[in-house]
Amino acid sequence: DQQVKQNSPSLSVQEGRISILNCDYTNSMFDYFLWYKKYPAEGPTFLISISSIKDKNEDGRFTVFLNKSAKHLSLHIVPSQPGDSAVYFCAASAFTDKLIFGTGTRLQVFP
Amino acid sequence: NAGVTQTPKFQVLKTGQSMTLQCAQDMNHEYMSWYRQDPGMGLRLIHYSVGAGITDQGEVPNGYNVSRSTTEDFPLRLLSAAPSQTSVYFCASSSPLDRARGYTFGSGTRLTVV
Repeated sequence: DQQVKQNSPSLSVQEGRISILNCDYTNSMFDYFLWYKKYPAEGPTFLISISSIKDKNEDGRFTVFLNKSAKHLSLHIVPSQPGDSAVYFCAASAFTDKLIFGTGTRLQVFP
Repeated sequence: NAGVTQTPKFQVLKTGQSMTLQCAQDMNHEYMSWYRQDPGMGLRLIHYSVGAGITDQGEVPNGYNVSRSTTEDFPLRLLSAAPSQTSVYFCASSSPLDRARGYTFGSGTRLTVV
């Protein structure tokens, strides 16, 4: 049973436009949601997170939205830059700090 | 500040061989985990630890052993390597006091079992 799902394996966006990456979850006990970015041959790096008591969190060009009733979160990148091209993982945890990851979305930002 | 250090970076094993993937962190984090990354499967949790002497299984623990004798180290042992264990392995650590930042990951070990 996959508790965290990223249904889009890939996304292609033009430079300067908005990138929207989506994530769905099934476990209503999750109370922290995080996004990680991964370049080839490197470990994942933390990007942004949101607590279940909030519905939005911003950090520069990155905004995460949480819809608890729909068990859905999204990451918005505005404006998208070529350096944003990477694999993005959604992750969630339920108090224990054990992180459960989705399968990832490969974002390509083209000029 | 080195963060999370994994060794080796690359390894080729023959089926049936055993080996230990090393992981060390210098951030005094209580929590440590091992993940494997496979194409189309994302990052799957193998084992994790919430402190020295305490370990538990994740989603895909079969064929792997762990122990946590110190806060800094969390080695992953492959008992009898199989081709299905060909993967990229990531070690990670975190503090329960800073859940908003999640885990800090190492740079990974790419393992091939032939």
